[in-house]
Amino acid sequence: KAGVTQTPRYLIKTRGQQVTLSCSPISGHRSVSWYQQTPGQGLQFLFEYFSETQRNKGNFPGRFSGRQFSNSRSEMNVSTLELGDSALYLCASSLVEVRDTQYFGPGTRLTVL
Amino acid sequence: QKEVEQNSGPLSVPEGAIASLNCTYSDRVSQSFFWYRQYSGKSPELIMSIYSNGDKEDGRFTAQLNKASQYVSLLIRDSQPSDSATYLCAVLPNTGFQKLVFGTGTRLLVSP
Repeated sequence: KAGVTQTPRYLIKTRGQQVTLSCSPISGHRSVSWYQQTPGQGLQFLFEYFSETQRNKGNFPGRFSGRQFSNSRSEMNVSTLELGDSALYLCASSLVEVRDTQYFGPGTRLTVL
Repeated sequence: QKEVEQNSGPLSVPEGAIASLNCTYSDRVSQSFFWYRQYSGKSPELIMSIYSNGDKEDGRFTAQLNKASQYVSLLIRDSQPSDSATYLCAVLPNTGFQKLVFGTGTRLLVSP
């Protein structure tokens, strides 16, 4: 079974731009969570989607948004990029519940200049 | 107070020794606890999950949970250099929300 895939793997953007990241979960998994990982803050929860509905959201500004499609694929968008948004963005999929085993994708490394 | 706290390390142990990694959490009603391993430049992978007080063993790994003291630990027996990684503790608060809260991780170094 194929693992979680994320595209693109690397991105370089400038301040003020927007970016869209994509995540394809493991086949059959319906829950997709997004995390931001930085050296100082560690892994921080962004949001979680199940059946195209956002079930929970972390403490990030409204510039961070996401969505999930009927095939469980998910996208996250960051608008008006700031230098502090430079991070590794990870998505993780699980069968139904977050407490089910979460499988992480390889991540998208975003650099904002 | 952070929701999930871990000593950042590095924790250095010789090959063959027992490595003990600790994690404390603030939400007393938390019910589900997880240990992830993250190699440098890689994404986290689940090692153990534990839901009840006591010990849970899986091969060389033992997770220990003490809800009264609000801590969870991971013991790695017969540590190998390949165990050198950052170990992340994650907690699922029993708030009805589908949200894992991670600690910042403990870096483990196992020397040959």
